[in-house]
Amino acid sequence: NAGVTQTPKFQVLKTGQSMTLQCAQDMNHNSMYWYRQDPGMGLRLIYYSASEGTTDKGEVPNGYNVSRLNKREFSLRLESAAPSQTSVYFCASSTTSGTSTEQFFGPGTRLTVL
Amino acid sequence: RKEVEQDPGPFNVPEGATVAFNCTYSNSASQSFFWYRQDCRKEPKLLMSVYSSGNEDGRFTAQLNRASQYISLLIRDSKLSDSATYLCVAVLSGSARQLTFGSGTQLTVLP
Repeated sequence: NAGVTQTPKFQVLKTGQSMTLQCAQDMNHNSMYWYRQDPGMGLRLIYYSASEGTTDKGEVPNGYNVSRLNKREFSLRLESAAPSQTSVYFCASSTTSGTSTEQFFGPGTRLTVL
Repeated sequence: RKEVEQDPGPFNVPEGATVAFNCTYSNSASQSFFWYRQDCRKEPKLLMSVYSSGNEDGRFTAQLNRASQYISLLIRDSKLSDSATYLCVAVLSGSARQLTFGSGTQLTVLP
């Protein structure tokens, strides 16, 4: 099993460009999440999807959109990138059955907006 | 005020030392707590859950004090491989089981 995969690993954008970050999991998890991590700020939740067909805003959703394409895939789109969106983006997934809340993270996408 | 606060460190300790990290959370509705470990330029991974009664996993001991809204992690007999950033995590109830992360405490174990 690959776990959680993310593409691309690195990306440089110019201000105003758009792009989509891809995430897929093969663990049959219901819930998926997008975080950004900035120095000194910890991980902050951008959007999450509790189950296929639903998405909700997290702590810092402005400037982003998401699509839960199917149970496996959850993409994050930047419509018009800004330098403030320079960050490391992590996708994660978790089961919602039982009492487990462990989230499994992908390797991250390092995004620089010039 | 951040919902989960940690001392950012860095903590530089010699091999074999005992080191303790502390964390406070502000939302009394938080139901579950965890410590995640993040190696440099890698993704976070679950280290251990934190239970009210305290729990141990080898050299690692986690404690929770709900009255004080305080969580701790104790690492005994530190190894070079323990060098990482340790993230304190609180979870609110709900179907999505959203995690709130502290900003992390950086540990370097020195030979």
